[in-house]
Amino acid sequence: EAGVTQSPTHLIKTRGQQATLRCSPISGHTSVYWYQQALGLGLQFLLWYDEGEERNRGNFPPRFSGLQFPNYSSELNVNALELEDSALYLCASSPEVRSSYEQYFGPGTRLTVT
Amino acid sequence: SQQGEEDPQALSIQEGENATMNCSYKTSINNLQWYRQNSGRGLVHLILIRSNEREKHSGRLRVTLDTSKKSSSLLITASRAADTASYFCAPVSARQLTFGSGTQLTVLP
Repeated sequence: EAGVTQSPTHLIKTRGQQATLRCSPISGHTSVYWYQQALGLGLQFLLWYDEGEERNRGNFPPRFSGLQFPNYSSELNVNALELEDSALYLCASSPEVRSSYEQYFGPGTRLTVT
Repeated sequence: SQQGEEDPQALSIQEGENATMNCSYKTSINNLQWYRQNSGRGLVHLILIRSNEREKHSGRLRVTLDTSKKSSSLLITASRAADTASYFCAPVSARQLTFGSGTQLTVLP
């Protein structure tokens, strides 16, 4: 069974640009979560999508947005990039409701903003 | 916030020793999960303990949960150099996991 995949592995952007990060969940998983992990820090919850809808978002400005496609893959968009957006962005997927909500993580996308 | 808080922030032990990490949280939970992260990579799920369980084992891992104290501990027995990683607890409520800053475990050969 294929795990969660993320692309690209690395992304380098300049301040003010937009970044698009992609995530494909494990087959059969309907929920996708996005986290930001700045260097040396813990994971900060960004967004949660389930069945194509945004279920919750963390304490991040509106320039962080995303969507979930009908095949449950997801995209995270970061507009007007700032230097402090440099971080490892992790995507996780989880099976449907009534599961244990165990999350399966992808390898992450390392975003560097210069 | 339901964020788990791990303690200690860093732990350094010799290979073969046991490592204990603690986690505290604030409100009621469905379950609590522990994850490991090797440097700069994605997290790997280690073990899940449900709110009605007090102790759970998986290989060299032992997790305890005390809901009255809102705390959990992760014990890694007979540690190996390959156990060097960051360990995160994640209390689960309302289908969401909330991670703390983790415990950085270093196992010296």
